[in-house]
Amino acid sequence: QVQLVQSGAEVKKPGASVKISCKTYGDIFTKNYVSWVRQAPGQGPEWLATIDPLDVISKVAQNFQGRLTVSRDTSTSTLYIELSGLRHHDTAVYYCARGYCGRESCYKFDQWGQGTLITVS
Amino acid sequence: DIVMTQSPLFLPVTPGEPASMSCRSNQSLQHNSGYAYLDWYLQKPGQSPHLLIFLASNRASGVPDRFSGSGSGTDFTLKISRVEADDVGIYYCMQGLQTPFTFGPGTKVDFK
Repeated sequence: QVQLVQSGAEVKKPGASVKISCKTYGDIFTKNYVSWVRQAPGQGPEWLATIDPLDVISKVAQNFQGRLTVSRDTSTSTLYIELSGLRHHDTAVYYCARGYCGRESCYKFDQWGQGTLITVS
Repeated sequence: DIVMTQSPLFLPVTPGEPASMSCRSNQSLQHNSGYAYLDWYLQKPGQSPHLLIFLASNRASGVPDRFSGSGSGTDFTLKISRVEADDVGIYYCMQGLQTPFTFGPGTKVDFK
């Protein structure tokens, strides 16, 4: 069954780093692009990054370049994002989602993880 | 960056009645393929967003046919033919044409 299951909530201090996992089931890891999106309390979603199934191309939002790292573990079909230099406004629910993408564009985020709450305090 | 706007921000609805909301972008979302890279998502409280419509007018699997999407270029509309209790939540449009992919501020749908 196609599914994305994320790691649990964490509380971090300002300046620390956090690494969030997204374990994939079904063919997602080998066939689909996966994007990361976050949502601050009371705000709309914000796209962070997209990684391709071959781990050749990853796109990261310019605002996060240098602070956000995306990675994959083939042995466990798990994707990760790591955000460093955490600030209070990084407090948000972080989601992974399967999408359909070309070289520059994506659409149809049709499978989402349950979300991971990261609190910076 | 492509800026997405939605209206109204709050939409009071009556069960059984139709509802409509708008999404606009400050640049055309038409891809070389001819498709508009505009999706609609519904987020219920405490839940992940879930996909309703992709590429402006295609209903996602399992989405009731009372939901329909239309539009092209910079102007898009989501319509609910007859609102049901399960339709309350926040509706977001998202452009996937170019990075950074951006979401609108959302239209909150709730009963009058």
